[in-house]
Amino acid sequence: GAGVSQSPSNKVTEKGKDVELRCDPISGHTALYWYRQSLGQGLEFLIYFQGNSAPDKSGLPSDRFSAERTGGSVSTLTIQRTQQEDSAVYLCASSIQGTIQYFGAGTRLSVL
Amino acid sequence: TQLLEQSPQFLSIQEGENLTVYCNSSSVFSSLQWYRQEPGEGPVLLVTVVTGGEVKKLKRLTFQFGDARKDSSLHITAAQPGDTGLYLCAEPQGGSEKLVFGKGMKLTVNP
Repeated sequence: GAGVSQSPSNKVTEKGKDVELRCDPISGHTALYWYRQSLGQGLEFLIYFQGNSAPDKSGLPSDRFSAERTGGSVSTLTIQRTQQEDSAVYLCASSIQGTIQYFGAGTRLSVL
Repeated sequence: TQLLEQSPQFLSIQEGENLTVYCNSSSVFSSLQWYRQEPGEGPVLLVTVVTGGEVKKLKRLTFQFGDARKDSSLHITAAQPGDTGLYLCAEPQGGSEKLVFGKGMKLTVNP
């Protein structure tokens, strides 16, 4: 498809385990964003990648969260030692810089 | 970081009714975006407003941007069940255009 693809769509894990969430942006989009959507907090920015520039990590809630973007395309968000408060929907978006952000359907993470 | 306040948070109405949702801030918006998010999907951009006093229409949806660019509203005329979803306002911030979102208004339109 031509849209932003995220996998898995659902992930259930146990407290303390590490998880990896994947985002395939729209081809040709240089900017990639991760957001988190939880019941209490709404939709929050996590991290932003633009080309070869250093990522904007200002939204990451703790050092357990990290993300990388390989080859300017696919991105992986890693959460180490998951906690119950990490349960949320993790959304990825991509754009051509300064234009409309297109969102994927998200990964629903449940930490038991 | 600017806080975006949306009201109401929840609304359940009958098909054919009209409704308005508001998005407010104590600071001036650089620009404002409205999104709709359906269950199990990501948000989809409806409109961007930039100029104070601006009015944009998208079929039965009317978007207004306050003259002082501190508030915006979305009015839906003759709501339909297909309008059901979460309506979010968001402001792009900084050179990265990262979005700061309001908490949204969950709309249910009953047939």
